[in-house]
Amino acid sequence: GQNIDQPTEMTATEGAIVQINCTYQTSGFNGLFWYQQHAGEAPTFLSYNVLDGLEEKGRFSSFLSRSKGYSYLLLKELQMKDSASYLCAVRDSNYQLIWGAGTKLIIKP
Amino acid sequence: ETGVTQTPRHLVMGMTNKKSLKCEQHLGHNAMYWYKQSAKKPLELMFVYNFKEQTENNSVPSRFSPECPNSSHLFLHLHTLQPEDSALYLCASSQGLAGESYEQYFGPGTRLTVT
Repeated sequence: GQNIDQPTEMTATEGAIVQINCTYQTSGFNGLFWYQQHAGEAPTFLSYNVLDGLEEKGRFSSFLSRSKGYSYLLLKELQMKDSASYLCAVRDSNYQLIWGAGTKLIIKP
Repeated sequence: ETGVTQTPRHLVMGMTNKKSLKCEQHLGHNAMYWYKQSAKKPLELMFVYNFKEQTENNSVPSRFSPECPNSSHLFLHLHTLQPEDSALYLCASSQGLAGESYEQYFGPGTRLTVT
């Protein structure tokens, strides 16, 4: 079967750095996405990786290793507004998105 | 504001009712999706439409019936639902299905409660 694993919940301090991991086992691979979802709101797109390596976008970076079935989202200089759920999703060989259950990130002052 | 709107935002219905959820995208996208989001569970893809044609139906019970009259509008018709169908129903759109990043843009969702 297809599976996406990510931690259920993480806590970090304002101003710090946090890394959210995602491991996947899917039927084929056509890209990995990270989305942010604030409570009661729609998911919004953060990043896309299809080749191995690090993609940097401001305070957020996403890393992919296809051989290890592994990705992480790195958030720097954490702000209170970063408190949200972070969803990892992999596009499989049929171009369907397979979603993880999300990681709830709690930022403390 | 993502360019995808959904109505209603909240819906309470009995098990014998019939109701419809509406989604509209103002992004000129060709693909539209219905998802079910339950607490602490991954997003469940229900239906996919590409250029108004249904391409995926992930073993969704027949009490959920989608309709896509054009590339900008998507409906989810509901009838004789069960309490376990209570969830957040999200609509999304993307430029296409394959190739490039084609990230999905989500609407705010309809919070459905079945009593």
